[in-house]
Amino acid sequence: EVQLVQSGAEVKKPGESLRISCKGSGYSFTSYWISWVRQMPGKGLEWMGRIDPSDSYTNYSPSFQGHVTISADKSISTAYLQWSSLKASDTAMYYCARHSRGQQPIDYWGQGTLVTVSS
Amino acid sequence: DIQMTQSPSSLSASVGDRVTITCRASQGISNYLAWYQQKPGKVPKLLIYAASTLQSGVPSRFSGSGSGTDFTLTISSLQPEDVATYYCQKYNSALLTFGGGTKVEIK
Repeated sequence: EVQLVQSGAEVKKPGESLRISCKGSGYSFTSYWISWVRQMPGKGLEWMGRIDPSDSYTNYSPSFQGHVTISADKSISTAYLQWSSLKASDTAMYYCARHSRGQQPIDYWGQGTLVTVSS
Repeated sequence: DIQMTQSPSSLSASVGDRVTITCRASQGISNYLAWYQQKPGKVPKLLIYAASTLQSGVPSRFSGSGSGTDFTLTISSLQPEDVATYYCQKYNSALLTFGGGTKVEIK
């Protein structure tokens, strides 16, 4: 069974750093890309960027380039989304999601990680 | 960047009604278009890919059409369990982009 299991909810203060994780199982982790998707409270889905876990090649949405870092450790089948300095506006649910190589849609999603940034 | 515009942003229809949601791309994307359903408090779910191919297990009342810049998602007979927000997404390039979403409610 394909699973993407994300790390638990986080409560942070503005200016703090954070890394959340997404562990894949039930499939060959390096054969699929992992994307990260943001959903702010009461808002729509926003694609942030993706990583190819086989070589850690990344693509970012222009809206998120420079604000977050996506990385992966293929030895433990885990992808990460990282912030160096959080802002209150980073408060959102973050989903990781899997899609096949090439031009393919997302087919599996993680359960989401709620990040709350508040002083 | 290619923008994806959905309309309407919300709709209310009666059980059994035919519902149509539109997604427009600012440039042609061939048929690299997916539709997702997100029920309240739940994870999004893939409904349709390649503009018109139904994902396994999705009820046949859902259908998709279109190519190039204009796409539609149709629910042939709206059911109470279809209350959700629906999103289109393009995947023709390295940059995936979602539409703004259409919230479907029961009248």
